[in-house]
Formats: sequence, C-alpha cells, structure tokens
Amino acid sequence: DARVTQTPRDKVTEMGQEVTMRCQPILGHNTVFWYRQTMMQGLELLAYFRNRAPLDDSGMPKDRFSAEMPDATLATLKIQPSEPRDSAVYFCASGPGVAGGLTDTQYFGPGTRLTVL
Amino acid sequence: AQSVTQLDSHVSVSEGTPVLLRCNYSSSYSPSLFWYVQHPNKGLQLLLKYTSAATLVKGINGFEAEFKKSETSFHLTKPSAHMSDAAEYFCVVSLNTGFQKLVFGTGTRLLVSP
Repeated sequence: DARVTQTPRDKVTEMGQEVTMRCQPILGHNTVFWYRQTMMQGLELLAYFRNRAPLDDSGMPKDRFSAEMPDATLATLKIQPSEPRDSAVYFCASGPGVAGGLTDTQYFGPGTRLTVL
Repeated sequence: AQSVTQLDSHVSVSEGTPVLLRCNYSSSYSPSLFWYVQHPNKGLQLLLKYTSAATLVKGINGFEAEFKKSETSFHLTKPSAHMSDAAEYFCVVSLNTGFQKLVFGTGTRLLVSP
C-alpha cells in the first residue's frame, strides 16, 4: 500500500530556530505539493513541483521559507528563522500526473505538526 | 478564478440517517471537483472526484456526489451514516489546465451521534 511519508510527525521548536520537514512521495509520482493547514486560513498551497522542478511557490513567504527536491524520492520544506505564526500542520502530497491537462488525484501524507514557541 | 463554498461548517446526524454535505463552486472553465475527508490528526483522503465524465460519482465508504452544472453544486451524500464517518470533509475545485492547483473549501465537520 503506497503512501506519502512525512517526518517528523511533530516538531516543537523555539522562535528563530531552523526547521526542516521532509516528505517522501509515492514512488513514480511526478508532482509534489506542500500545504499548510491552520484554523484561521484553512488549507493553503505553499509550493508545487513537477518532475522535481518548482512550478509555483507563490503561496510561500519567500524571506524565510524554501522548498526543494534534491531527488525524486525526497522533498524538503525549510523555515529559517521560524516564528510563532508558522505554527501549523504542514502536509505534503504527491500525484501521478495526468496527460491532457486533467487534474489528477493528490495523495496526502499524515502531516507534520509544527509548534514554534 | 475558481472557488468553492461549503455552506455548513458543522452538520450533525444520527447514526443510520442520511448525510448531506453541501458544496457550491465557481469556475470559469470546466472544473474537476473532489471531496476529501480528514479524520482527526490524519492526512486528507480522497473520497471521490468528478472530471467531466458521469455526473453522478460514487466514492469510497458509500459516499456519492452529483455534479449539477445548472446549480453549480457538488453536494456529497450518503444514505446511512456510520459512527466512523465523523470527520472533516473538504470540497475542492481545480481547473483542468494541467496546472494541478487545488482550491479547498473551508470544510464541514460531520458529527454522528449514536
């Protein structure tokens, strides 16, 4: 049963510290997404990769957030320096990519719950 | 721009009674529409999706949704609620432009009482 995995599942850190969240997409999927979920804003798209290339990161605060895909099996989301307002659940999702422009299904990981004190 | 409106933030039903979760969408183009479910402290799981084929879409766990273009609606239904259906449900829209961007509704929390 193929799944998206995320580590860590929970992270508590202090303001100003660097945070790195990792995601392993489902093998063979060529699209990867990072989302942030908060009570106030709901689910927001932060970044979107296709074939490891970033296609859209307009939802991400550029000054402190960065997203990369060092290889096809690993996506990372970094926050440096972290702030209390970054406290949220961060989800990674991957998709198989569908030819012809149809939106494919995204498969979500279990999330990383980040608390910045 | 596309968007979705989930008309109820909370819906309460008794076990064994029908479920109706309402969703209206706005899209300039032919959209794809999804329902995702999120159980407490879990990720999101796809229930069903509409991609311009049959307007009545059947999903997992007995859920189904009907795409009604004239009403711009995509309501989620289930004939008989189960305790395990208690969760947050998200209606999602996306343009079929190859861009793959999903726009999520604010969610409806389904409460199921014995």
